[in-house]
Amino acid sequence: DTAVSQTPKYLVTQMGNDKSIKCEQNLGHDTMYWYKQDSKKFLKIMFSYNNKELIINETVPNRFSPKSPDKAHLNLHINSLELGDSAVYFCASSPFGGLQETQYFGPGTRLLVL
Amino acid sequence: ILNVEQSPQSLHVQEGDSTNFTCSFPSSNFYALHWYRWETAKSPEALFVMTLNGDEKKKGRISATLNTKEGYSYLYIKGSQPEDSATYLCAPPAGGYNKLIFGAGTRLAVHP
Repeated sequence: DTAVSQTPKYLVTQMGNDKSIKCEQNLGHDTMYWYKQDSKKFLKIMFSYNNKELIINETVPNRFSPKSPDKAHLNLHINSLELGDSAVYFCASSPFGGLQETQYFGPGTRLLVL
Repeated sequence: ILNVEQSPQSLHVQEGDSTNFTCSFPSSNFYALHWYRWETAKSPEALFVMTLNGDEKKKGRISATLNTKEGYSYLYIKGSQPEDSATYLCAPPAGGYNKLIFGAGTRLAVHP
C-alpha cells in the first residue's frame, strides 16, 4: 500500500491553464505539506495543513491555493499557470506536525508548463 | 530564515570506501535535525531525526552525529555500495511547526 500518493505523476499543460494536483495519505496523519523542488533543485515548503486547518503559508503566489477536504487529502490548485511554475511538487505528511516527527513524502508530480 | 549548508556538494567514491559529509545549521533555537536520502526520480526517504547534542544514530552502514552547540551534523557511510548513490539532505525545522528547511544536499555517487 502506498503511504502518500499523488496524482497525476506527470502533468504537461499550456501557460494560462488552471490545474490541480491531488495528494492522499493513508497513514492516519493529521498534518500534510506541499513542497516545491525549484530550478536549483532545492526542496522548499509551500503550505502545511493540520487537520484541515492551514498552518504554514509561505511566500507563494496567490495563484496557488491548497485545499484540504479532510485530513487524509491535501490538494494543490494552480490558476493561470506560468512557465516558472514548472517544477516537481511533493506532498508529505507527518503525525501531528511536531518538530521531531519524520515527514513521509509522496512520489512527486512533475509539472511542465509550455 | 535559517541558513543550512551542506558540504561537499558532490562526492564520487569507489565501492567499499567509507565517506562522510557535513550539515551546518544555526545553533541558536535548535529543535531537531532531519536527515533524508533522496534517490533520483524517487521521493525523499527519512534516515534519522537527531534531537540531542551528542546524539549518535545508526541504520545499517549509515550513521550520524550531532553537535548542537556548534551547529553541525555529520553523516557517515561505511563501506559504500553503488545502491548508496543518492542525494543526502539535512533539514532543521524552522520552529513553530515542522517547516523543514532543506539544505542543497550532498550528491553521492558510488562507483563499482
